[in-house]
Amino acid sequence: NAGVTQTPKFQVLKTGQSMTLQCAQDMNHNSMYWYRQDPGMGLRLIYYSASEGTTDKGEVPNGYNVSRLNKREFSLRLESAAPSQTSVYFCASSEAPPTSRGYEQYFGPGTRLTVT
Amino acid sequence: QKEVEQDPGPLSVPEGAIVSLNCTYSNSAFQYFMWYRQYSRKGPELLMYTYSSGNKEDGRFTAQVDKSSKYISLFIRDSQPSDSATYLCAKPHTGGFKTIFGAGTRLFVKA
Repeated sequence: NAGVTQTPKFQVLKTGQSMTLQCAQDMNHNSMYWYRQDPGMGLRLIYYSASEGTTDKGEVPNGYNVSRLNKREFSLRLESAAPSQTSVYFCASSEAPPTSRGYEQYFGPGTRLTVT
Repeated sequence: QKEVEQDPGPLSVPEGAIVSLNCTYSNSAFQYFMWYRQYSRKGPELLMYTYSSGNKEDGRFTAQVDKSSKYISLFIRDSQPSDSATYLCAKPHTGGFKTIFGAGTRLFVKA
């Protein structure tokens, strides 16, 4: 039982390049999330998927797109990377809110992205 | 005003000390509170959750909620160097679906 896995662990991009961050969970969770974490800013929600087939914008969606490929997988794409997107990206999953347990999120190990 | 506010620290204590970590929240909807622990260069992990008012204890950790002052606390007894991490408080967003996280308090426990 791996929980939430993310690939890659590290990535360096040049400005304007594109890439996709992959996330998969094996806990049969309905909901999945993408966050970025920057010093002093805490966790900021980029996009989330309440259930398979649905996606919604979070707090900081500009410059990103997502795909909920199936119940297990949720990918985040940077179409044209910018230095402001240098950050640590976390994927998370949970049972379906608004049940109490639905707010308990399980996180992956993160992807450290640097855009030069 | 952010829905959940947390002093970022850092907080440095000697081994064996009692640690108090605190957050305030602004919206009283969804009285369900969580504490996450994040070690350096790792993802956050759920440490404890608690409902409404009162205390919940789990080993050396106690989570406390004061509804009247909208204050949530995490106490760590007999703190250990292995407790050195960032602690994030969290609660459901007003809208009921998303979870809102505090910015995290960085804790250092010195041996």
